[in-house]
Amino acid sequence: GAVVSQHPSRVICKSGTSVKIECRSLDFQATTMFWYRQFPKQSLMLMATSNEGSKATYEQGVEKDKFLINHASLTLSTLTVTSAHPEDSSFYICSAPAGGARTDTQYFGPGTRLTVL
Amino acid sequence: QQPVQSPQAVILREGEDAVINCSSSKALYSVHWYRQKHGEAPVFLMILLKGGEQKGHEKISASFNEKKQQSSLYLTASQLSYSGTYFCGTGGSGGGADGLTFGKGTHLIIQP
Repeated sequence: GAVVSQHPSRVICKSGTSVKIECRSLDFQATTMFWYRQFPKQSLMLMATSNEGSKATYEQGVEKDKFLINHASLTLSTLTVTSAHPEDSSFYICSAPAGGARTDTQYFGPGTRLTVL
Repeated sequence: QQPVQSPQAVILREGEDAVINCSSSKALYSVHWYRQKHGEAPVFLMILLKGGEQKGHEKISASFNEKKQQSSLYLTASQLSYSGTYFCGTGGSGGGADGLTFGKGTHLIIQP
């Protein structure tokens, strides 16, 4: 299957700082990628859709100025958590469909665990 | 709207069978099944796209009843490696890929 990587896998930062998380599709191109957040023992919640060459679209309740998304190329999307606070601590996971259609399998990256002190 | 999964949790002995259900209050266009182990990313199991479609992968199979707006995942002769949390995710009706809306998950524990 297709491979999606994330970096870093784990990050600890102080409150008020910004953290950048990278999501890469390693063996395929992805014009669309998705960012999810998962709190402990909960389900994955879609945060936003990252679109190559255009602005990201955010789900209701997700602050676009706090969670900046840049889809720099066909293989890279970045999520920047700005002015992070302890309540932003979570497991952030990206996914990419191996194709552009709704019929395509979506592959998940290994996730980034963010801890804000 | 978030699909509803049942049961919330199930404990089995190795070799037993399990069924996990996923239902939606709105029309389903695609159902994606994943398994997640603690601290890891979800691993794709299968995707179902048409009503009545059934797919199988080794001892794991799934069905999709579009009319009833539900899907079921069948685990046959479960193995210890099947332990984890199973999520169903539903997609939109458009032609392009959509972010998935996941259920709350079903925790599966397989005991020797």
